[in-house]
Amino acid sequence: DAGVIQSPRHEVTEMGQEVTLRCKPISGHNSLFWYRQTMMRGLELLIYFNNNVPIDDSGMPEDRFSAKMPNASFSTLKIQPSEPRDSAVYFCASSSDTVITGELFFGEGSRLTVL
Amino acid sequence: AQRVTQPEKLLSVFKGAPVELKCNYSYSGSPELFWYVQYSRQRLQLLLRHISRESIKGFTADLNKGETSFHLKKPFAQEEDSAMYYCALSFRYTGANSKLTFGKGITLSVRP
Repeated sequence: DAGVIQSPRHEVTEMGQEVTLRCKPISGHNSLFWYRQTMMRGLELLIYFNNNVPIDDSGMPEDRFSAKMPNASFSTLKIQPSEPRDSAVYFCASSSDTVITGELFFGEGSRLTVL
Repeated sequence: AQRVTQPEKLLSVFKGAPVELKCNYSYSGSPELFWYVQYSRQRLQLLLRHISRESIKGFTADLNKGETSFHLKKPFAQEEDSAMYYCALSFRYTGANSKLTFGKGITLSVRP
């Protein structure tokens, strides 16, 4: 298995543009997470899906951010319109267990730069 | 509120020196704690979890409920230990749902 696959790996865009980040979790995993990594805040949980259903989106910064999981093998994180403060590395992770004791498997991340 | 605190951003040591990466948590329930590591140009990956009581790559971490700490230790650092380390707390917050929250991370640099 190639692990969690994210695309694009790098994205440079201008303020106001729409950004869509994509994630393919490990086959058979039923939980999917989107995290944002910045120097100032470290790793922040944005949203968490279980069996394709959003369970907790309390970490989503504002209405400009939205996430979907139309099926078990694909998820998107969209930012519209993007702003310079959204610049960060966005990680997708999946798990086959409840995270109480289980392990999260991370993708390589999508580095977003908003000019 | 549940919180993980890693008080230092950077730790630089010489090869062979002992290492202790500090982690404190805030949680009223029974915590499940983890250390994740991100080596240069690699994915973030699980290093160890307190429930397993294991030693991985020479690292150990003991949960101290009295001090609410889960410090990561290694007696003799190696250059290949240079990486970003994150402490994480897992907790159940509703029904069967649980959440993994991370500290801000610490960069360990091991010099030759």
